[in-house]
Amino acid sequence: QLQLQESGPVLVKPSETLSLTCFVSGDSITSSIYYWAWIRQPPGKGLEWIGSVFYTGDTHYNPSLKSRVTISVDPSNKQFSLKLNSVTAADTAVFYCARHRLEPQRNWFDPWGQGALVTVSS
Amino acid sequence: SYELTQPPSLSVSPGQTATITCSADKLGDYYVSWYQQKPGQSPLLVLYQDTKRPSGIPERFSGSNSGNTATLTIRGTQAMDEAAYYCQLWDRNTAFFGRGTELAVL
Repeated sequence: QLQLQESGPVLVKPSETLSLTCFVSGDSITSSIYYWAWIRQPPGKGLEWIGSVFYTGDTHYNPSLKSRVTISVDPSNKQFSLKLNSVTAADTAVFYCARHRLEPQRNWFDPWGQGALVTVSS
Repeated sequence: SYELTQPPSLSVSPGQTATITCSADKLGDYYVSWYQQKPGQSPLLVLYQDTKRPSGIPERFSGSNSGNTATLTIRGTQAMDEAAYYCQLWDRNTAFFGRGTELAVL
């Protein structure tokens, strides 16, 4: 059974870079039909897609975050990572990783990791 | 940006039918997915491609999508269905989520 687990610092200072890694277990990260996604949820608010990466390194990013985001993949270690730079308090959120079926007619996120709360504060 | 409009909240009595809507211009031209999120938990996919249920999702969850509105219907709503529900679609290489509907089962 596929499982995803986020890992990274829980506290980041303003203007610095937020870094998270998602570890994939129970299935291959080199699937030909799935991307791997990051989604965030500010406390008490809704979901916002950050971006998705294919095992080859191909990426799609949310245009609203694209200038600050880098998502990379390490297939040999079955993990993918998120870097969000120049963070502010508005970036405080629970960050989820998820498997992403990414095709125009087939598009959903399943399953999701348990989430990691990252707080931006000095 | 593609804005998906959902009612902020909905209340139903146990055993009744809950109907959660997601609206946008020409939404019926897209496939919509739905997620359930209980407090303190990760979102869970409950419907994809408008009407399909992943393995393990009860039959009381169903969906439709036509015109400008997609609908998630929960028949015989149970206390365990109390959660936030989010719709989602993919357009122009971007994933969009609705703002969510808080379903209360009272």
